[in-house]
Amino acid sequence: RKEVEQDPGPFNVPEGATVAFNCTYSNSASQSFFWYRQDCRKEPKLLMSVYSSGNEDGRFTAQLNRASQYISLLIRDSKLSDSATYLCVVKAASNYQLIWGAGTKLIIKP
Amino acid sequence: DVKVTQSSRYLVKRTGEKVFLECVQDMDHENMFWYRQDPGLGLRLIYFSYDVKMKEKGDIPEGYSVSREKKERFSLILESASTNQTSMYLCASSLVDPYTEAFFGQGTRLTVV
Repeated sequence: RKEVEQDPGPFNVPEGATVAFNCTYSNSASQSFFWYRQDCRKEPKLLMSVYSSGNEDGRFTAQLNRASQYISLLIRDSKLSDSATYLCVVKAASNYQLIWGAGTKLIIKP
Repeated sequence: DVKVTQSSRYLVKRTGEKVFLECVQDMDHENMFWYRQDPGLGLRLIYFSYDVKMKEKGDIPEGYSVSREKKERFSLILESASTNQTSMYLCASSLVDPYTEAFFGQGTRLTVV
C-alpha cells in the first residue's frame, strides 16, 4: 500500500460545480498536511495547509480526518483556471520528509 | 518571497555524460530535496538533505549522487547519464519546522539522448 494515495482522475467537472477529492495516508503519526497545485509543465505550488480544525480559503476548503487518516479538498464554484493537478503532501513525524501523493487531475469544462 | 532557483530549465545530454543539476535557495532552509517527476508516477524522492554535508537516500537514489557543501546549495549528480533518466527534475527546500511548506524550483527538463 502506498503511503499517500490519491485518485488520479481525471475529474471532468462543469464550470460552476463543486468538486471534492480525498487523499488517504497510512502513517498515523504523520505530522502535517498540505495541498499543492501543479499546472502542466510547471512546479508544484502550495495551495493550502490543512489544519486539524479544517480551514477555508475563498472557494477552497481543506479538512483533516485523523481517525480515518484522510484529508480532503473541496472546491466550490469551480473556474476554468482551477484546471490543474492537485497534490496531497504529508509531512513525516520522524524526520519531516515529505510524502507525496501522485496527484489528482482536475479538468473544468465550460 | 522564498526563491528556489535551478540552474537550467532545459538540458540535453548524451548517454554516459556526467550531469550536474544545481539548486540554490535564499531563505536559509535546512531541508533540501531532489525529486524526479514522470507522467503517472508523481514525485519520487531521489535524495534529501537536512544539513550541510548530510544526506539521505530517497526512494530512487540509484544512478544519482548529491552534494551539499553550503546550506543554500544542493547539487544532483548523474554519474553516467542514461536514457531512462530522461525526466523532469525538481528541487525543493523547507524549514525543519514540521508545519511549514516546501518551496520548489522551476524544474529542469533533462533529456538524455
